[in-house]
Amino acid sequence: QKEVEQNSGPLSVPEGAIASLNCTYSDRGSQSFFWYRQYSGKSPELIMFIYSNGDKEDGRFTAQLNKASQYVSLLIRDSQPSDSATYLCAVNNPNTGNQFYFGTGTSLTVIP
Amino acid sequence: DVKVTQSSRYLVKRTGEKVFLECVQDMDHENMFWYRQDPGLGLRLIYFSYDVKMKEKGDIPEGYSVSREKKERFSLILESASTNQTSMYLCASRLGPIWGYEQYFGPGTRLTVT
Repeated sequence: QKEVEQNSGPLSVPEGAIASLNCTYSDRGSQSFFWYRQYSGKSPELIMFIYSNGDKEDGRFTAQLNKASQYVSLLIRDSQPSDSATYLCAVNNPNTGNQFYFGTGTSLTVIP
Repeated sequence: DVKVTQSSRYLVKRTGEKVFLECVQDMDHENMFWYRQDPGLGLRLIYFSYDVKMKEKGDIPEGYSVSREKKERFSLILESASTNQTSMYLCASRLGPIWGYEQYFGPGTRLTVT
């Protein structure tokens, strides 16, 4: 069983729409959750992180965490063509070490 | 800003060669990581280091070794390169094992073994 699962996509949304990206994880002790964006041929860059249940907003991005359901999501409002990338979910349980567990990523295409 | 640099963006090596990939970070981070990324398989951890001269195996350490003689530098060594080690290699660093800190990635090295 994979530690972190994401739908690989591709997910296509029209420009201006809301893109919804989902991630589930298996380790109930996980406490830190990260969303990275990766453009083709580039390395991952952090978009945002979340530690507490509920929503966390940063500009057009909202991360949502539900630890009971072991579910974390990323919403992108007013999607732009520049948001077209692969989005990686990463999870860390500090009690078991420094390792981050990454999902395989969801490919997002925003259609102009 | 944290800066993580890698010695090469693109590298072509022959089967059997010994290959060195170097990573340097400038923010005094304790933790450093080496991943490989392949289509459909995502990021897989090869090795990580939580301090100078300290290392731990990740999920796929076979065929690789690492060296961390100085805090800012973490090297990945392919002892005898094979074609199945053709991949994108990503280095990352993290401030420490403190709860919550994110990993910062270098630009990556695309290695081709022929």
